[in-house]
Formats: sequence, C-alpha cells, structure tokens
Amino acid sequence: ETGVTQSPTHLIKTRGQQVTLRCSSQSGHNTVSWYQQALGQGPQFIFQYYREEENGRGNFPPRFSGLQFPNYSSELNVNALELDDSALYLCASSLRLLADTDTQYFGPGTRLTVL
Amino acid sequence: GDSVTQMEGPVTLSEEAFLTINCTYTATGYPSLFWYVQYPGEGLQLLLKATKADDKGSNKGFEATYRKETTSFHLEKGSVQVSDSAVYFCALRKRNSGNTPLVFGKGTRLSVIA
Repeated sequence: ETGVTQSPTHLIKTRGQQVTLRCSSQSGHNTVSWYQQALGQGPQFIFQYYREEENGRGNFPPRFSGLQFPNYSSELNVNALELDDSALYLCASSLRLLADTDTQYFGPGTRLTVL
Repeated sequence: GDSVTQMEGPVTLSEEAFLTINCTYTATGYPSLFWYVQYPGEGLQLLLKATKADDKGSNKGFEATYRKETTSFHLEKGSVQVSDSAVYFCALRKRNSGNTPLVFGKGTRLSVIA
C-alpha cells in the first residue's frame, strides 16, 4: 500500500511569485486536507477536498487555492507569495466513511521558503 | 473556538526515564483525540488515538487516556529511548461530521540522551 507522497520536497521562491505543491493520497482514500506548519508551531488547517470539491476551509486568504483530481490527488496553489508563507506544507489523506472515524495520514511535507 | 494546549518544551530526559507530556483541550461536544509524532525532517505520523471518554490509546509503549472530566489526554511512556527524540503534537477532531479538520497544539520537543 502506497502512503501519502508530496512534491517537491523543498522549494525556494521570491515574494510575489506563485507556487504549486502536489500531493498523492494514499490508495483508496477520497479526502485530502492541507495544513501549513510554521517553524516551531503546530499545523494549521488550510482546506479540505472531498470528491473533487472544497469541503471546508480554515482562516486563509483566497490566494490559497486548491484542486482535487479524479484519482484523488491534489494541488495547493499559492499566489502573490509573502514572506510569512514560508512554512512546511503538509498534505493528509483519509477515507471518509459514514461515521466520522476516519484517520488522517500525513505526507512528508514540502518545505517552502519565500525570499 | 476549539483549541489544544500542550506543555511547553523542550523536554530533556535520560534514556529509560518516565515520560509525561500534558495535553488539555477545549471543544464543544465530544471530539476524538490524537497524538502525532514528527521526527526531524519528516511529516507527521499518527502515534495513537482515542475516540470516546475513558478510551486508552496505545502504541510503541506510549499511552494516553481520554479524560472527559479534566478535558485531558496526557501522553505517557514508562521508559524512553534515544529513538523517541522528536516533536509530539496533541490534536483533536470534532466528530459531528466528516469534514472537520484536526486542531493541533503547538507541539512539545522531546530530547532523550543516552
């Protein structure tokens, strides 16, 4: 069984640029969530996708957007990068069942540095 | 809103010492509770979970009991190893629907020395 994978591992961008991060969910999982983890902090929820539709969003501006594809892989796009966007971006996949007992499994993350 | 508070680190212990990392939460309803571990340079790994009051989650010698009366989910291990050195995150998740996110504490860094 393949786990959650993310690409790229590391990325360096300059302020104002745009970035796309990718995530392949664990086999059989239909839900993907994205989190931002600033240095020394816990992860903060950005948004979640379920069956290709956004299905919940945290306190992040609209320049953070995403997609989920038919194979349940996902992208996180960030426009107009700011210095404070420097963080580890984590993708988590899960299988949503009727009962809310699904567990989220995390990928290794993408380390984004904005200069 | 919902929140998780963890004891601040870093925590430094000698090998074979007893570990406790405190975690308390604030939430409406009855959330599921989790401990995740993050090793250096890696993402998060689920360590253990509990979904209702008095449940005990356990894995790799770590344990935590869901205490509704004290809204706590403290992580314990009887004898730590150098390989347990990592950052530990306590988290909760509401159980009322399928799209609720994890809410994390700030993490507690554990260093175990030989």
